[in-house]
Amino acid sequence: RKEVEQDPGPFNVPEGATVAFNCTYSNSASQSFFWYRQDCRKEPKLLMSVYSSGNEDGRFTAQLNRASQYISLLIRDSKLSDSATYLCVVKPGSARQLTFGSGTQLTVLP
Amino acid sequence: DTEVTQTPKHLVMGMTNKKSLKCEQHMGHRAMYWYKQKAKKPPELMFVYSYEKLSINESVPSRFSPECPNSSLLNLHLHALQPEDSALYLCASSQSEREDSYGYTFGSGTRLTVV
Repeated sequence: RKEVEQDPGPFNVPEGATVAFNCTYSNSASQSFFWYRQDCRKEPKLLMSVYSSGNEDGRFTAQLNRASQYISLLIRDSKLSDSATYLCVVKPGSARQLTFGSGTQLTVLP
Repeated sequence: DTEVTQTPKHLVMGMTNKKSLKCEQHMGHRAMYWYKQKAKKPPELMFVYSYEKLSINESVPSRFSPECPNSSLLNLHLHALQPEDSALYLCASSQSEREDSYGYTFGSGTRLTVV
């Protein structure tokens, strides 16, 4: 089983839609959780950290469920500029490096 | 603009060439990383430097040789590469190897083509 698994995608949604991405992780000792965004042929950029209490940044909401080892990202009112690959990233433990999911591709259509 | 600077942005090299990739950060981060990313795949960790010492080598072939001259610089020396080594090479940094609550900051990468 992969350490971090994501929805395979791709997701093609109309502008203004709400879209949700899911991610599961296998190591229950995982400490830190992130969503990164990667545009085509660009570097990954941190979108947001994910906390147990849930956190929101504008149109983006991230949730963490430690009991189910599940992370989600909700994007409301999708914009064309949201088109990218979204990477779920987990730090499995204090002595381990970030582990990346395989990414979910989002295309927002006009 | 990214706070991690990588040069060159693009590199084409022959299989007998020797070249180096460079990475620089001035955020005071004490952990630096090299990743390799193939098309439509997530980044794969190659090396980790913590306080200027090599902390992790993820079984990378010896044709890739990392170097950390000081806390701000990270190099990746390339020699006798194969066409399958063509990829995007990403440098990243974090506050330290253990304290990374803020995630990693990535450079814009070097797109390497081996011919």
